Amino acid sequence: SAVISQKPSRDICQRGTSLTIQCQVDSQVTMMFWYRQQPGQSLTLIATANQGSEATYESGFVIDKFPISRPNLTFSTLTVSNMSPEDSSIYLCSVGRREGRETQYFGPGTRLLVL
Amino acid sequence: SQKIEQNSEALNIQEGKTATLTCNYTNYSPAYLQWYRQDPGRGPVFLLLIRENEKEKRKERLKVTFDTTLKQSLFHITASQPADSATYLCALVIGNNRLAFGKGNQVVVIP
Repeated sequence: SAVISQKPSRDICQRGTSLTIQCQVDSQVTMMFWYRQQPGQSLTLIATANQGSEATYESGFVIDKFPISRPNLTFSTLTVSNMSPEDSSIYLCSVGRREGRETQYFGPGTRLLVL
Repeated sequence: SQKIEQNSEALNIQEGKTATLTCNYTNYSPAYLQWYRQDPGRGPVFLLLIRENEKEKRKERLKVTFDTTLKQSLFHITASQPADSATYLCALVIGNNRLAFGKGNQVVVIP
């Protein structure tokens, strides 16, 4: 398994501002992912955070809105830029290992409210 | 369009009975299907994975079936306990280890 922490755990932000969410893992992992879970909706994959290269975004998500960094094998950040109330959601990071790579371990999530 | 459907209504079940949840999908051809548990305010926790060439998988009181012809997976909790009350998510592995999730199905086990 993997122990994953996220910061902040929750935040209330004003429209038009940006928030950076951090994801820290207790060991090196091959894959890191960022998801969004809007109220009453399923988890939706935003992007795969690639170490040493640009993130790979899913359809409907763009780098300008959700820039992602992954400077090493244990850490990643997701920024939610120029926020609007529609960005109010829970943002979760997950990791997958090389062994048993199909299994993902999720962080506790960051609960974001945009006013 | 691609869809993963789980029952939106909560499943209320008496303690000791078997809870059965359904996951149906369209326009996907997953090599794997996974089930996760999510408690309020927490991230999903992996429970079981089943591959396309496996019909059934068990882990303690949990059982998962996978029918690629019907494009359906069933998730069973036998001898259910109040501690099993949670939301259960179906997830398809859609390539490069990326996951596509259903909305989840809430289970409430009544003592």
